[in-house]
Amino acid sequence: NAGVTQTPKFQVLKTGQSMTLQCAQDMNHNSMYWYRQDPGMGLRLIYYSASEGTTDKGEVPNGYNVSRLNKREFSLRLESAAPSQTSVYFCASTTGRITKPYEQYFGPGTRLTVT
Amino acid sequence: QKEVEQNSGPLSVPEGAIASLNCTYSDRGSQSFFWYRQYSGKSPELIMSIYSNGDKEDGRFTAQLNKASQYVSLLIRDSQPSDSATYLCAVIRSGGSNYKLTFGKGTLLTVNP
Repeated sequence: NAGVTQTPKFQVLKTGQSMTLQCAQDMNHNSMYWYRQDPGMGLRLIYYSASEGTTDKGEVPNGYNVSRLNKREFSLRLESAAPSQTSVYFCASTTGRITKPYEQYFGPGTRLTVT
Repeated sequence: QKEVEQNSGPLSVPEGAIASLNCTYSDRGSQSFFWYRQYSGKSPELIMSIYSNGDKEDGRFTAQLNKASQYVSLLIRDSQPSDSATYLCAVIRSGGSNYKLTFGKGTLLTVNP
C-alpha cells in the first residue's frame, strides 16, 4: 500500500515549456487535490476532483489544467510554464464521510523550477 | 480576517517540555479540524483529527477544540528534538463541499536538546 505517489520528484523547465505532473493513490479514495506551496503563502488549492469524472477550480487555477484519468489517477498540466509557477506541488486524496471523515493524505511532492 | 490563523513562530521549547500550538478560525460553522506536521523539504503528514468539542489524545499529542471560541490547539507532551517541524492547522468550513481543507500558514516548532 503506497498511499499517494507523485512523479517526477524534481523538474526544471524553461519558460514556455509544458509538462504534466502525475499523481496516483491506491487507497480507493473518491476525492483528489492539487496544491502548491510557496514560502510565506502556505498551501493553496489549485484544482480538485470530488469524484471520478469531475474536476473543479480551487484558489489558484490560472495556468493549470487537470485530468482525472480514473479513480486512482489525477494529473496536473502546465501548458506554458512561467517563473511564477516555480513551487512545490503536492497531490492529496481524502477519505469519505464514514471512516476517518475527511482525512486528507499527501504525496511526497514535486519540486518544480521554471527558469 | 484570515480564515485560519496560526502564530508563525518560531516556537522554541526545551526537550521534555510541553509545546502548545494554537489555531483560530473565522467560519463559525466549520466542522472538522486537523493538525499536520511538515518536516523541512517533506510533505504534510496528518497527526490528529478532531470533530467535536473537547480533548482528543493520541500518544504524546492532544488536540483541543472549542467551537464557541473558534479555537483549536495541539499540545505535544515530552517534546523531542524529532518534533521540530512546521505544524499546520486545517479546517473544513461550513457547507464544506467536496471536503476542501483551508490551511493556516503553519507554526514552526523548534525543540532544543
